Amino acid sequence: EAGVAQSPRYKIIEKRQSVAFWCNPISGHATLYWYQQILGQGPKLLIQFQNNGVVDDSQLPKDRFSAERLKGVDSTLKIQPAKLEDSAVYLCASTGIRDRDRNYGYTFGSGTRLTVV
Amino acid sequence: AQSVSQHNHHVILSEAASLELGCNYSYGGTVNLFWYVQYPGQHLQLLLKYFSGDPLVKGIKGFEAEFIKSKFSFNLRKPSVQWSDTAEYFCAVSSGYSTLTFGKGTMLLVSP
Repeated sequence: EAGVAQSPRYKIIEKRQSVAFWCNPISGHATLYWYQQILGQGPKLLIQFQNNGVVDDSQLPKDRFSAERLKGVDSTLKIQPAKLEDSAVYLCASTGIRDRDRNYGYTFGSGTRLTVV
Repeated sequence: AQSVSQHNHHVILSEAASLELGCNYSYGGTVNLFWYVQYPGQHLQLLLKYFSGDPLVKGIKGFEAEFIKSKFSFNLRKPSVQWSDTAEYFCAVSSGYSTLTFGKGTMLLVSP
């Protein structure tokens, strides 16, 4: 089974620029998550999608971050404009909605490491 | 809201030493507990999980964890670590269909 695909792996941008990350979850997984992992901290949830609808975006800084999952499959996360404190690894994860799928926990992608200079 | 506390940020051990990483969570209801591992340059991988039943769960690579409800703890153990266990370890909790909440992680360095 293919894993969660993310691109790009690395990105360096200047502050105030915009950036976008892409995620393709495991086939058939209805639930998709974006997490932010700042160096030295655990991953923090940014947004959760169920199919193409947003379930939880309470921790998404909506003044600069946006995310979409238009067709209920792949997703993009955008930052505009970026700040220095946005430097982090952005992780995408997915899981199925059936209990036996959720019992495996989330499957994470390799992440995109963003450096804002 | 649920939260997770990991006791140590960095742990350094010699090969063959025993390992115990502490994890405490705060949530009053039924919880699902996980340990994830992140090897250098790799993505987060599930090490083991607890949903119900036997509080002593066994995971991959010889790891195990014990759920102690009265102590709100889910400590990770391994009797004899190897150099290849060098990685960052994250404890995480969810409840029902809530999302995963992670601890800050413990960086384990095993010296050969």
